Amino acid sequence: QVQLQESGPGLVKPSQTLSLTCTVSGGSISSDEYYWSWIRQPAGKGLEWIGRIYIGGSTKYNPSLSSRATISLDASNNQFSLKLSSVTAADTAVYYCARDGYPISPFDYWGQGTLVTVSS
Amino acid sequence: SYALTQPPSVSVSPGQTASITCSGDDLGDKFASWYQQKPGQAPVLVIFQDTKRPSGIPERFSGSNSGNTATLTISGTQGMDEADYYCQAWDNGWVFGGGTKLTVL
Repeated sequence: QVQLQESGPGLVKPSQTLSLTCTVSGGSISSDEYYWSWIRQPAGKGLEWIGRIYIGGSTKYNPSLSSRATISLDASNNQFSLKLSSVTAADTAVYYCARDGYPISPFDYWGQGTLVTVSS
Repeated sequence: SYALTQPPSVSVSPGQTASITCSGDDLGDKFASWYQQKPGQAPVLVIFQDTKRPSGIPERFSGSNSGNTATLTISGTQGMDEADYYCQAWDNGWVFGGGTKLTVL
């Protein structure tokens, strides 16, 4: 059974960089069958896809966040990460990591989510 | 940018059929997926490729997609189906609908 677990600071100051890691267990992040994505959800609002990464290193981002988001992959530790720069209060949300299928198949496994608050 | 539009809320009586729509330009030319999300939990995939159910999803969940509208149908709705539902499609990136709160009353 594949499991994903987000980790990282729950509080980030405005203008700083949000950094989160997703640890994958029960499956290999090096599989060529899957992409690894980040999604966020502000309190009481809908889901927003941030971007994804493939084992070859290719990435794709939501155009609305592409200038601030960077997703990377650490195959040796079966992890992938998100960095979101220049954060504001509008970036306060629950951040999820999830697995989607190659080339285009929806999210079949999700992490439990982690709340990140942007506040001074 | 591509947009998917859902009604904010739908109400249904227990045992009846609930239908939740998702509209987008030429959505029928893409594959639509649906997720169920209960409070405090991660979303769960309930329909993919317009009509397919993942393992473990009850048969009362079904989907269709044609023209500009995809529809999630829940037959014999139960109290446990009360949740937020999101549609999703790919258009140069993943796009989600705004979500529909299903109330079973």
